Amino acid sequence: GQQLNQSPQSMFIQEGEDVSMNCTSSSIFNTWLWYKQDPGEGPVLLIALYKAGELTSNGRLTAQFGITRKDSFLNISASIPSDVGIYFCAGPTDFFTGGGNKLTFGTGTQLKVEL
Amino acid sequence: DGGITQSPKYLFRKEGQNVTLSCEQNLNHDAMYWYRQDPGQGLRLIYYSQIVNDFQKGDIAEGYSVSREKKESFPLTVTSAQKNPTAFYLCASSIAPGGAGSGELFFGEGSRLTVL
Repeated sequence: GQQLNQSPQSMFIQEGEDVSMNCTSSSIFNTWLWYKQDPGEGPVLLIALYKAGELTSNGRLTAQFGITRKDSFLNISASIPSDVGIYFCAGPTDFFTGGGNKLTFGTGTQLKVEL
Repeated sequence: DGGITQSPKYLFRKEGQNVTLSCEQNLNHDAMYWYRQDPGQGLRLIYYSQIVNDFQKGDIAEGYSVSREKKESFPLTVTSAQKNPTAFYLCASSIAPGGAGSGELFFGEGSRLTVL
């Protein structure tokens, strides 16, 4: 099936630094979702984007729906230790029988924060 | 509080045994999903159900089976036919497919299965 390419795969940053990561697709999306997964837990939805060019914030997190509709970006400002985890992008690559978006998840960006 | 509960959190199985993972939700969601997560890979869809008494295969359904007898419950059975069952299994739910926000999934805390 289709894959979403996330970069970087992992990053080591200092506490207080800003973080940027992105996700690209070979096809056009009408929705981009960003999830965070803490170690040993299930992913939690951070931000949902539904319109090309849309810029949405959730606290220190800001995500953008790329104008080409083939990419999305997630930024974290002033990182703190609890930002550690894996960040996944997700987008609809197909439709379920009977309707609804079938999501494909990126391979994730692992974030580690040094004190 | 509303949410999704998976059990058990950790499970060990001998080769050749079937094992069933439980998933219960009280969010009144119509759609439920099972994903498999392996290190360094994204989540891969095993099975999904959009309504009670109906379910469809996902991308990696071989060696797995599910049932959806109640709206709240979507158990996954990992059968002995699954060649490499050691993985982290995640259950999720969402509102009725096709509606606004239908792509937004709510996940359980996961079940880690290890085959000895």
